[in-house]
Amino acid sequence: QVLLQESGPGLVKPSETLSLTCIVSGYSISSAYYWGWIRQPPGKGLEWIGSIQHGGSTYYKPSLKSRVTISVDTSKNQFSLKVTSVTAADTAVYYCARDFKWGSMDVWGKGTTVTVSS
Amino acid sequence: QSALTQPASVSGSPEQSITISCTGTSSDVGGYNYVSWYQHHPGKAPKLMIYDVTKRPSGVSDRFSGSKSGNTASLTISGLQAEDEADYYCSSYTSSSSWVFGGGTKLTVL
Repeated sequence: QVLLQESGPGLVKPSETLSLTCIVSGYSISSAYYWGWIRQPPGKGLEWIGSIQHGGSTYYKPSLKSRVTISVDTSKNQFSLKVTSVTAADTAVYYCARDFKWGSMDVWGKGTTVTVSS
Repeated sequence: QSALTQPASVSGSPEQSITISCTGTSSDVGGYNYVSWYQHHPGKAPKLMIYDVTKRPSGVSDRFSGSKSGNTASLTISGLQAEDEADYYCSSYTSSSSWVFGGGTKLTVL
């Protein structure tokens, strides 16, 4: 059974960097697929942030590209998200997910809430 | 890159059928057969219901079906059940080599 688990600080100060990690169990992320990050701000819909291919190629939402970095650590079987210069608009539940085919995300983490506040 | 357009809410009675639309452009929904649909119960992780416009993942009820015409994709749920009450989101690949979600539709089972 493939499981994904997000981890990271629940509170980040404005202008600082948000860092989250997604730990994958039950599947080697170096084998195949894309691995992505999605968020849901309070009271709003889902927003795709970006994805990383198992080989390291990355794809980002154009409007976030300048602030977002997704990386993979195959030795730890995990991938990470960094969002720089955060504001209150980055407050959201952040999900990591496995993308098995062109945006088809079949396994999701439970989500982690990140609040941007001083 | 704008969010795909979905109705804010739809409703139906048990055993009825409902359809949720997802309208984009020729740069996303209309240009690619990579439309997915997700069911999201608040507080839980989203669940993939349809991918590649019409395909159902293993374990998803055949009461859920997907289609596409031009720039609009649709999700149809037949034989509505109380457990279907949730938020539904479409998503599509785009010409910017990225993915975009719809704004979401709240389904109420009356």
